[in-house]
Amino acid sequence: DAGITQSPRHKVTETGTPVTLRCHQTENHRYMYWYRQDPGHGLRLIHYSYGVKDTDKGEVSDGYSVSRSKTEDFLLTLESATSSQTSVYFCAISERDARATQYFGPGTRLLVL
Amino acid sequence: RKEVEQDPGPFNVPEGATVAFNCTYSNSASQSFFWYRQDCRKEPKLLMSVYSSGNEDGRFTAQLNRASQYISLLIRDSKLSDSATYLCVVGGAQKLVFGQGTRLTINP
Repeated sequence: DAGITQSPRHKVTETGTPVTLRCHQTENHRYMYWYRQDPGHGLRLIHYSYGVKDTDKGEVSDGYSVSRSKTEDFLLTLESATSSQTSVYFCAISERDARATQYFGPGTRLLVL
Repeated sequence: RKEVEQDPGPFNVPEGATVAFNCTYSNSASQSFFWYRQDCRKEPKLLMSVYSSGNEDGRFTAQLNRASQYISLLIRDSKLSDSATYLCVVGGAQKLVFGQGTRLTINP
């Protein structure tokens, strides 16, 4: 299995609070991604990174920001969490470009009350 | 129209049966194709890449029809452990696009 960890694995928070999720990889892959998975929608891309300090938006980026200061870490921040951001969040990595095979972390279950 | 469409199922089949999943995609410029499997409350994991000539991995066979923009997955001699959701994944211009998945349950 690819060396990808996510923290925390579970989180309950209140509407309006900031939340940061962390993805850590030991594979030295250039590309990293954040997805959310919801019933009826499948996996949707939030943001991705193609190198240190290089990030871009995905299809559902509103309300989220990201940062990548080191190759191994990719942070996802919900500046002010809303109930609509209750979801399962997956981090993924790939060695080449965004069309290549992606390997996923174990996920973070976030509940916003 | 969704970029990647799959029959959501659920498919319930007896152990030992052969089961086939289909997937269609809308972007004719797509360059990469995959099947992932996802167990309940787990992350998606790569099952196999799909190549133009079709490819096989043990009991699993994947086919690609670029003209019809259609991908298939065939599972032969199904096992209880094959119960999962199968995601059709297509590489678009800047990203992978995931289907919503087809849920498969193998019954003893």
